[in-house]
Amino acid sequence: DAGITQSPRHKVTETGTPVTLRCHQTENHRYMYWYRQDPGHGLRLIHYSYGVKDTDKGEVSDGYSVSRSKTEDFLLTLESATSSQTSVYFCAIYSPKGADGELFFGEGSRLTVL
Amino acid sequence: RKEVEQDPGPFNVPEGATVAFNCTYSNSASQSFFWYRQDCRKEPKLLMSVYSSGNEDGRFTAQLNRASQYISLLIRDSKLSDSATYLCVVLGDTGRRALTFGSGTRLQVQP
Repeated sequence: DAGITQSPRHKVTETGTPVTLRCHQTENHRYMYWYRQDPGHGLRLIHYSYGVKDTDKGEVSDGYSVSRSKTEDFLLTLESATSSQTSVYFCAIYSPKGADGELFFGEGSRLTVL
Repeated sequence: RKEVEQDPGPFNVPEGATVAFNCTYSNSASQSFFWYRQDCRKEPKLLMSVYSSGNEDGRFTAQLNRASQYISLLIRDSKLSDSATYLCVVLGDTGRRALTFGSGTRLQVQP
């Protein structure tokens, strides 16, 4: 158990509304990530963070912003949700343990934008 | 062209069969390679790392061919519990520690 929790786990919202997904970790890891998963595309990186107030864009960052004001929390915000943002969102942390390290994922947040 | 490409399957095999999945990656500077497993509606979990010398973990064998930019996973004596989606994963930039995922290959082991 990597101590990652995502909230909410399920959300249905309407086009144009703001949405914030929260990722909380208890392990004090430095690197955190937000991915989205869609059929036929696999997991795609949205944003990631090296530490507090240190974030960068991934391959599908348009329409998303993030914030990391505390080590344990990484927030993903959709300022104005669109139907194309209907997806399953996974938060992940990188643990340097072992020879290659490992990415641990939260259980996912299923977002439906109507 | 996608950075990591996999055959989506599904691969339908009987229990006890041997099945192999392949994956190609486009970034020749990629540093590390992994196979993750994802059960239906669950989060991905690390199955095993992949090394140039090849490595084995029980019934699972992973191989890497850097010259051809090709990764494979072999599952011997398939079990019903092996049914899942297998994700080929590449670490291209060690500074970011950000992994690039293939779309996954779905395996269904049948009794």
